[in-house]
Amino acid sequence: AQKVTQAQTEISVVEKEDVTLDCVYETRDTTYYLFWYKQPPSGELVFLIRRNSFDEQNEISGRYSWNFQKSTSSFNFTITASQVVDSAVYFCALRTSSSGATNKLIFGTGTLLAVQP
Amino acid sequence: NAGVMQNPRHLVRRRGQEARLRCSPMKGHSHVYWYRQLPEEGLKFMVYLQKENIIDESGMPKERFSAEFPKEGPSILRIQQVVRGDSAAYFCASSPPGSSDNYGYTFGSGTRLTVV
Repeated sequence: AQKVTQAQTEISVVEKEDVTLDCVYETRDTTYYLFWYKQPPSGELVFLIRRNSFDEQNEISGRYSWNFQKSTSSFNFTITASQVVDSAVYFCALRTSSSGATNKLIFGTGTLLAVQP
Repeated sequence: NAGVMQNPRHLVRRRGQEARLRCSPMKGHSHVYWYRQLPEEGLKFMVYLQKENIIDESGMPKERFSAEFPKEGPSILRIQQVVRGDSAAYFCASSPPGSSDNYGYTFGSGTRLTVV
């Protein structure tokens, strides 16, 4: 079975703090893709990153970084020097080769990040 | 190049009415996906369509829900005889043909359905 767990329901930090959002996934497939999406208060879904199972290199994009660890089935997301505009719900998602032609994503329940000024 | 367009943005229906949600994919995209986000939950896959074909409807409730993606015009998600439990945000996403390795395809802004 495929599953994504985001154990942190809500996180509150003060501006300029670093914050890490956890994501743990389950799949028996050897080929899979992991995603992070941001959902700001306005409600739309913003794509942040995709990572495939063969690429364990960590990625940095500005204040955002992602740590992919196959050994622990985790794909954690860190925001450095958080800002109020980072306040949003963040979703981790999984697509596996079992999805076949459907390409459907399995989402975690999301982490609400509140950044206080 | 406009993104995935969903309308209406907000929809209020009384119990028993029909709800029609529209999704216009990005230009050049022929694959459409519908997801539902219940309050306080993540998104759940509902249906995957290509032009004039339903490819995977494994996430669709068995009754009252239907989806189509005609040759011309937007994709429509139809909910008949709505109940309070249908209140949710419904997201549409699209991807181009042949994208078996897509980049997390593009989502629309969603339609928030409220059943009163």
